[in-house]
Amino acid sequence: QLQLQESGPGLVKPSETLSLTCTVSGISISSSNYYWGWIRQPPGKGLEWIGSIYYSGSAYYNPSLKSRVTISVDTSKNQFSLKLRSVTAADTAVYYCTREEVSSASDYWGQGTLVTVSS
Amino acid sequence: DIQMTQSPSSLSASVGDRVTITCRASQSIRNYLNWYQQKPQKAPQLLIYAASSLQSGVPSRFSGSGSGTDFTLTISSLQPEDFATYYCQQSYGTPPSITFGQGTRLEIK
Repeated sequence: QLQLQESGPGLVKPSETLSLTCTVSGISISSSNYYWGWIRQPPGKGLEWIGSIYYSGSAYYNPSLKSRVTISVDTSKNQFSLKLRSVTAADTAVYYCTREEVSSASDYWGQGTLVTVSS
Repeated sequence: DIQMTQSPSSLSASVGDRVTITCRASQSIRNYLNWYQQKPQKAPQLLIYAASSLQSGVPSRFSGSGSGTDFTLTISSLQPEDFATYYCQQSYGTPPSITFGQGTRLEIK
């Protein structure tokens, strides 16, 4: 059964880097036809796509976050990761990792992890 | 960026009602439109992909239609478990710059 699990610090200080990892089980992250993505949701607000990556390492990002975001993949660990630099309180959100099928629809989601930016 | 506008923002309905939620794109996105359901404190769940294809395991009372700029999600007969927030998402372009609608909260009347 396919599962995705986010992990990482729940509290990050302003101006620092938010780092999260998504561990995929039940399928190889190197499977063709799928991208792997990150989506976030500030408390009480809507969904915002952050970016997506293919197992080859080819990634694309939300233009509004592109200057601060890096998504990487580690096929040996069946994981992909998110780094968001220079965070502010506006980056406080539940962060979800997802599998994206060919039309970029996210058909599998992690449970989400709340990251709070605060000193 | 392609802007997605959902209407209404909130909706009250009763069990058994037929409900329609609309999503409009700021430019043509062909059929690159997906719908999600989110319940409180849970991750969203994919309902409809490519505007009108029902995701595996999703009840047939959910349906999607539209192309170009105007899309609809219809629930033919509301069930108690359908009260949730619904989001549309566009994924047009190569590579796509994915954006979501602001959400529609469906509440019990």
